Amino acid sequence: RKEVEQDPGPFNVPEGATVAFNCTYSNSASQSFFWYRQDCRKEPKLLMSVYSSGNEDGRFTAQLNRASQYISLLIRDSKLSDSATYLCVVRLNAGNNRKLIWGLGTSLAVNP
Amino acid sequence: GAGVSQSPRYKVAKRGQDVALRCDPISGHVSLFWYQQALGQGPEFLTYFQNEAQLDKSGLPSDRFFAERPEGSVSTLKIQRTQQEDSAVYLCASNVLLVPYNEQFFGPGTRLTVL
Repeated sequence: RKEVEQDPGPFNVPEGATVAFNCTYSNSASQSFFWYRQDCRKEPKLLMSVYSSGNEDGRFTAQLNRASQYISLLIRDSKLSDSATYLCVVRLNAGNNRKLIWGLGTSLAVNP
Repeated sequence: GAGVSQSPRYKVAKRGQDVALRCDPISGHVSLFWYQQALGQGPEFLTYFQNEAQLDKSGLPSDRFFAERPEGSVSTLKIQRTQQEDSAVYLCASNVLLVPYNEQFFGPGTRLTVL
């Protein structure tokens, strides 16, 4: 079982739709959580960190459920420019362990 | 300002050839990471430096992979006797300090193809 699991999709949605991505992680000692966005043949870029209380940034809302080891990302009013791969990322923050552990990514295509 | 840069952007190597991939992190960034991303996969951690110290190399897939950051800035990832399974994009990332939610900034990657 991979340490971070995501539905790879692809998700095909019309403009204006609301779409939700889910992610589960296996290590209960995980401390920090992120959603990164990666466009085709580009490097990953941070979309948002995920805080315990949940957080929102414009059309994007991230939630964390530590008990279920589950992270979600909600995108409202999808735009064509939201088409990308969304990567769920986890970090342990224990001792010298600073590495990010990545899911495979969920592919989103927003259609006109 | 300048972001993380990597060179070369593309490298084609014959099987058995040695390659060296360079990463220039953002100036002043203490932490530097190398990742390997195969097609259709998420990045996989290779190794991590804090300044010049290599604190975690648990992700290096074999002893053919070697990374260094001798002066705590530029880093080089070397792959000896390349194999076809080494074909991937090699991403470098840096960040300022190791606080829990500190963002890692990525370079554009080096796409390595081993024939």
